[in-house]
Amino acid sequence: EIVLTQSPGTLSLSPGEKATLSCRASQSVSSNFLAWYQQKLGQAPTLLIYDTSTRATGIPDRFSGSGSGTDFTLTISRLEPEDFAVYYCQQYESSVTFGGGTTVEI
Amino acid sequence: QVQLQESGPGLVKPSETLSLTCSVSGGSLNNYYWSWIRQPPGKGLEWIGYVYSSGSIGHSPSLKSRVAISLDTSKNQFTLNLSSVTTSDTALYFCARRGGFCTSSGCSGNWFFDLWGRGTLVTVSS
Repeated sequence: EIVLTQSPGTLSLSPGEKATLSCRASQSVSSNFLAWYQQKLGQAPTLLIYDTSTRATGIPDRFSGSGSGTDFTLTISRLEPEDFAVYYCQQYESSVTFGGGTTVEI
Repeated sequence: QVQLQESGPGLVKPSETLSLTCSVSGGSLNNYYWSWIRQPPGKGLEWIGYVYSSGSIGHSPSLKSRVAISLDTSKNQFTLNLSSVTTSDTALYFCARRGGFCTSSGCSGNWFFDLWGRGTLVTVSS
């Protein structure tokens, strides 16, 4: 099983700042089959990014994904008030597993 | 606009079977893969398994022996049965759709999840 470790656990930032979230895999995700989700309190996750760097439909371009192998990054270029939430990475290289999440807080 | 809605008992006793239904509205089950994903309180997400519109199924290795997923195309629903539950199965259960659709030529997209239900909380307690 591919284990995904997200860091930091919590990121404390202000609106307008840049957020950089990390997702490290225990084995290579060689096909770049990695996705990112945003989850707000009491809501279902929303797909942001798939295939490492492709934005899902309707996702603003301040969200971007990058990486390869075992190290992947979600970047939010300028935080908007609605971006404060929990973010999860997910791999689909081998079965499906999720990371433990990063909370982006004000 | 396709929407998913989970339903089922909010409380299940230990050792019994948890049964949930996901109703799909605004679209068809056909040509898509459908999954169940859960989230224990305050924790991360865990994929449980899937069913394809043809009826083929797959499960997480860690839950495989206790999971049964099926679909009812006449009702546009699919169901999850999780047997021999313990308190560790207490979670918010989501149904979700795999990204992309399938034709006779193959499937587009991949195993990310582009559509989710709002989730239903199931507590395992005596």
